[in-house]
Amino acid sequence: TQLLEQSPQFLSIQEGENLTVYCNSSSVFSSLQWYRQEPGEGPVLLVTVVTGGEVKKLKRLTFQFGDARKDSSLHITAAQPGDTGLYLCAGDPFGAQKLVFGQGTRLTINP
Amino acid sequence: EAGVAQSPRYKIIEKRQSVAFWCNPISGHATLYWYQQILGQGPKLLIQFQNNGVVDDSQLPKDRFSAERLKGVDSTLKIQPAKLEDSAVYLCASSLGTGEQFFGPGTRLTVL
Repeated sequence: TQLLEQSPQFLSIQEGENLTVYCNSSSVFSSLQWYRQEPGEGPVLLVTVVTGGEVKKLKRLTFQFGDARKDSSLHITAAQPGDTGLYLCAGDPFGAQKLVFGQGTRLTINP
Repeated sequence: EAGVAQSPRYKIIEKRQSVAFWCNPISGHATLYWYQQILGQGPKLLIQFQNNGVVDDSQLPKDRFSAERLKGVDSTLKIQPAKLEDSAVYLCASSLGTGEQFFGPGTRLTVL
């Protein structure tokens, strides 16, 4: 069974600070995605990483896929209150368009 | 482009009652997923359809849950009878098969 462990589960920081969220597994994934979910809504895709060691940037968000394709990280620079939400990593273990989700990191950015 | 539609948005029932959820995917998306998201957890896949055929239902509690996608478009998920532990948000997602899944807003089920 492929499991994804996210850490931390909860994070509350002040506006302007930097943060990193981790997504770890003992299993290899063909690809890994990061989603953001707001209350009362479904998750929305932020990025997909496919190649080991790949780094993708989305404005102030930087995503990295581990060299062995077992882990990933999300780094946010100069966090803003609008970044508040539940961040979910999700891996596709077999390339079958079927996702295994981590338990999520609930991020709160205080003004 | 319209997103994934789900209804109802909220449902409260008593244990042992039945409930059904409806999902209309994005037009042209052949793949449809139902997920269960318990409070404080990530979504868990219940069933995956490709057109009107089931690709994976290995995590669907088949003694009480059923799902269908008769014409390869809309889908319904049914729980009969409901248990307290079924309280969760039920998310529907659809995909073109390119990897990105588009999620609906979910149905929040409370079983009393």
